[in-house]
Amino acid sequence: SAVISQKPSRDICQRGTSLTIQCQVDSQVTMMFWYRQQPGQSLTLIATANQGSEATYESGFVIDKFPISRPNLTFSTLTVSNMSPEDSSIYLCSVVGGSSYNEQFFGPGTRLTVL
Amino acid sequence: GQQLNQSPQSMFIQEGEDVSMNCTSSSIFNTWLWYKQDPGEGPVLLIALYKAGELTSNGRLTAQFGITRKDSFLNISASIPSDVGIYFCAGQFSSGNTPLVFGKGTRLSVIA
Repeated sequence: SAVISQKPSRDICQRGTSLTIQCQVDSQVTMMFWYRQQPGQSLTLIATANQGSEATYESGFVIDKFPISRPNLTFSTLTVSNMSPEDSSIYLCSVVGGSSYNEQFFGPGTRLTVL
Repeated sequence: GQQLNQSPQSMFIQEGEDVSMNCTSSSIFNTWLWYKQDPGEGPVLLIALYKAGELTSNGRLTAQFGITRKDSFLNISASIPSDVGIYFCAGQFSSGNTPLVFGKGTRLSVIA
């Protein structure tokens, strides 16, 4: 399976600021996704990160709030903009591809706390 | 968004006991997956199921893809303390290139 790293692993941020989360994969992958996991909850898809084009957002998530970049097949960023305490969550990137075409693997997550 | 119905929500069992959890959906899925999440970690894939009726084992874990394609179960035999964690089922409408729909998770506690 692909080895996925995320930076930062955790952060505490002030209301109104923005944080950019990086996801790096050790091999080229076809698909990258960003999920949010609110405290004690399940995972909810934010968007599909498309290489070379705009991300595809799920209902309830917008580009102005969660801009995403994917400049190549091994890297993506998610920015959480103008943060509020309701944005406190674990943010996870997920990938498909590399040696396991059909299976989806997750990074370790970024634990964000907004004060 | 759409979610799967996963049960039970939580379980407390004695070490050595067998465990069973399941997921149901009103929609048909082409793939079912089971993940385990430890505190502070991302979900780790346990088992992937690709065909209706498929029964797959991974060590002490066994999972089945329901014949109607609307349900799946996961069994853990002879539980041990390191089985503690949250187990999530996930369904996929198409092939691996589509995102997952997750259940709400089953929190497993094992009493030694």
